[in-house]
Amino acid sequence: DTGVSQNPRHKITKRGQNVTFRCDPISEHNRLYWYRQTLGQGPEFLTYFQNEAQLEKSRLLSDRFSAERPKGSFSTLEIQRTEQGDSAMYLCASSPGTGGSPLHFGNGTRLTVT
Amino acid sequence: GQQVMQIPQYQHVQEGEDFTTYCNSSTTLSNIQWYKQRPGGHPVFLIQLVKSGEVKKQKRLTFQFGEAKKNSSLHITATQTTDVGTYFCAGPGIYNQGGKLIFGQGTELSVKP
Repeated sequence: DTGVSQNPRHKITKRGQNVTFRCDPISEHNRLYWYRQTLGQGPEFLTYFQNEAQLEKSRLLSDRFSAERPKGSFSTLEIQRTEQGDSAMYLCASSPGTGGSPLHFGNGTRLTVT
Repeated sequence: GQQVMQIPQYQHVQEGEDFTTYCNSSTTLSNIQWYKQRPGGHPVFLIQLVKSGEVKKQKRLTFQFGEAKKNSSLHITATQTTDVGTYFCAGPGIYNQGGKLIFGQGTELSVKP
């Protein structure tokens, strides 16, 4: 169990640019989640995958956000035309997929939009 | 929409004092999970409660799930500096699909030595 790995750890970008983050879940976990966390708040759900299928996407998520998990292993989260309000910690988590399984979080990617 | 609320938002204690954080859900939960996030770290799973009125202990930590399965609490006895961090409760989404968790805003604990 090597844990959930996220890259990069930090990303600074200018407003209007596109950014892409990568998440490698624990290998035997078939569920993968993306959350966003801002200072002083709990993780906010963005989207999740069961294997390669994206099964739910938060209504709070604008069309500028897209996520993929092409082979049911690693996942990418892309933000197009970034805005300053996108600045946050983006957390990826995985779980084995049985009901109520705990989430295993990665260290996150901290995005700063200037 | 479904909400999970925690109080207090911050708690500052002297080392050795007790600490309690409370969690309330707007909906009945099938289970509740607790996570701890150290400063600069990521949330780490502590425990899951499933049964109405359930009480579980982990050393100095005591977790309770309310009878109505809408509230929960975490109590730490005789806090230590290693307890510093933010404690989150989290419950399943309203349709309990896919294991999605809705997190509270957390209680940040600081411990003065």
